[in-house]
Amino acid sequence: DAGVIQSPRHEVTEMGQEVTLRCKPISGHDYLFWYRQTMMRGLELLIYFNNNVPIDDSGMPEDRFSAKMPNASFSTLKIQPSEPRDSAVYFCASSRQGMGYGYTFGSGTRLTVV
Amino acid sequence: GENVEQHPSTLSVQEGDSAVIKCTYSDSASNYFPWYKQELGKRPQLIIDIRSNVGEKKDQRIAVTLNKTAKHFSLHITETQPEDSAVYFCALKPGSNYQLIWGAGTKLIIKP
Repeated sequence: DAGVIQSPRHEVTEMGQEVTLRCKPISGHDYLFWYRQTMMRGLELLIYFNNNVPIDDSGMPEDRFSAKMPNASFSTLKIQPSEPRDSAVYFCASSRQGMGYGYTFGSGTRLTVV
Repeated sequence: GENVEQHPSTLSVQEGDSAVIKCTYSDSASNYFPWYKQELGKRPQLIIDIRSNVGEKKDQRIAVTLNKTAKHFSLHITETQPEDSAVYFCALKPGSNYQLIWGAGTKLIIKP
């Protein structure tokens, strides 16, 4: 199993540009989570999906952020327009109900908005 | 909502000594308590977890204890080694939903 795959690993973009982060969960996992990690705020849950349906998006900071999961093997997190305060590491994680509740994280995308 | 307090924020121990990190919570319905290790520049990884019907669980040099009455759980690392240096996060699953609630993390430093 390749684990949770995120792309890109690093993204540097200019303020105002659109950014799209991608995630492929582990096959068979029915939960997918998007997290943001910064030194100041730690690990923040942005949104999570169950069977491709968004369950809780209360952590999405503002309307500039959107997430989709068109099928069981792919999810995107989009920021439009991006701002310098969006700079962080964004992690995707997946898990499977019935196999315990432990998450498997992807390697993360380090986003820098200049 | 549920909150998890993690202490200490930084812990420095001599190589070979033991390290203990403690987390407290308020929701008595919480039923799952994992610990994650995050090395610098890497992803958080699950190292051990415990369910509310168990008081202690061990895996080689690491152990987790749960006191449901006092609402706290702790990570114990014995015979610490340099590779144990990392940030450790506690988390819990509230009874009401599937997401994990995270502690703020403990930076563990192993001194040679």
